[in-house]
Amino acid sequence: DTGVSQDPRHKITKRGQNVTFRCDPISEHNRLYWYRQTLGQGPEFLTYFQNEAQLEKSRLLSDRFSAERPKGSFSTLEIQRTEQGDSAMYLCASSPGTWYEQYFGPGTRLTVT
Amino acid sequence: AQSVTQLDSQVPVFEEAPVELRCNYSSSVSVYLFWYVQYPNQGLQLLLKYLSGSTLVKGINGFEAEFNKSQTSFHLRKPSVHISDTAEYFCAVGHTGGFKTIFGAGTRLFVKA
Repeated sequence: DTGVSQDPRHKITKRGQNVTFRCDPISEHNRLYWYRQTLGQGPEFLTYFQNEAQLEKSRLLSDRFSAERPKGSFSTLEIQRTEQGDSAMYLCASSPGTWYEQYFGPGTRLTVT
Repeated sequence: AQSVTQLDSQVPVFEEAPVELRCNYSSSVSVYLFWYVQYPNQGLQLLLKYLSGSTLVKGINGFEAEFNKSQTSFHLRKPSVHISDTAEYFCAVGHTGGFKTIFGAGTRLFVKA
């Protein structure tokens, strides 16, 4: 069990560019979550997958955001036309059958300049 | 809708002193309650959870929390803190029929020598 991994750990991009983050959950965890955490705040729910199906998206997830989980394993989160307000830590978590046992990755810190 | 209020944004305390981090929640349905810890540049780690049964919940690293339904509170306590407990602590709530976790804004615990 290597834990949840996220790549990259840090990303600096210019406004208007597209970025993509990857999350590798704990193997055999069928549930996967994405959260956004801004400075001084707790994580905010973005989206949730059960296997490959995206079952819920927060209204925080504008049309510029898209997430996928092909084959129910790793997941990607893409932000198109980044804005300075997108600067945050993006956290991924996975859980087994019991949704409340969430294991978090170290996060990807995005800075939009 | 559910919400979580962490009543203290920062709590400074001397090493070996007791500490209490306060959390109140709001929900119209039955809830699960959680405390997570986040060390610098790391993801969140589950400290403890309340699902049902005994209202006093014991977690890792000597922490415990008490669920008080009448006061809608879930305060976190430790009888004697160590320097290594310095971190951000998040209280979170989820409803028993769901899959989403709502986090508070966090309390920064700073343990002084």
